[in-house]
Amino acid sequence: AQTVTQSQPEMSVQEAETVTLSCTYDTSESDYYLFWYKQPPSRQMILVIRQEAYKQQNATENRFSVNFQKAAKSFSLKISDSQLGDAAMYFCAYRFQGNTPLVFGKGTRLSVIA
Amino acid sequence: EPEVTQTPSHQVTQMGQEVILRCVPISNHLYFYWYRQILGQKVEFLVSFYNNEISEKSEIFDDQFSVERPDGSNFTLKIRSTKLEDSAMYFCASSVERENEQFFGPGTRLTVL
Repeated sequence: AQTVTQSQPEMSVQEAETVTLSCTYDTSESDYYLFWYKQPPSRQMILVIRQEAYKQQNATENRFSVNFQKAAKSFSLKISDSQLGDAAMYFCAYRFQGNTPLVFGKGTRLSVIA
Repeated sequence: EPEVTQTPSHQVTQMGQEVILRCVPISNHLYFYWYRQILGQKVEFLVSFYNNEISEKSEIFDDQFSVERPDGSNFTLKIRSTKLEDSAMYFCASSVERENEQFFGPGTRLTVL
């Protein structure tokens, strides 16, 4: 079974600084998708960024970028120029191809210090 | 921008009672999901639904749970006889195609007393 591990239960970052959240996963598949979701105090799940495993290029969305290391099964999220609004729980998630469910990690709570 | 909606936002019920959680997926989406998140824990998959039938379900989704798409727009999750441990946030999600990302609703917080 696929598993997703987030080894950092909590992280903090100074406003305007950069922070990296770690995620590793375990799968025997070669084609799959990886995601980072943000969950603010409202508990809404918001998609931050998505990576297709067949793409070598790391995905980027404005201040958010990933470091996807397929051989190492690692998928970290980098947040640049951190803002107070970035404070939230961040979940890493995996999905195989097709109509398959997301498998989530336990999350990392990010605090942003003014 | 289209979004997934869920009602109610918060449901309080007594143990043993039946609850129905409602979701309206994005209108052109074909694949539907329910997830739950017990407070402080990770999000867990419950069930997926396509073409009016269950595609996949997890171990959590036992005989007390059922899903339905009664009218072509709503997607419901029913818990027949709630237990204390059913207290959680329940998220509905939908996607337009199999390979596309899943869009989540805002969730329903279920509290079982």
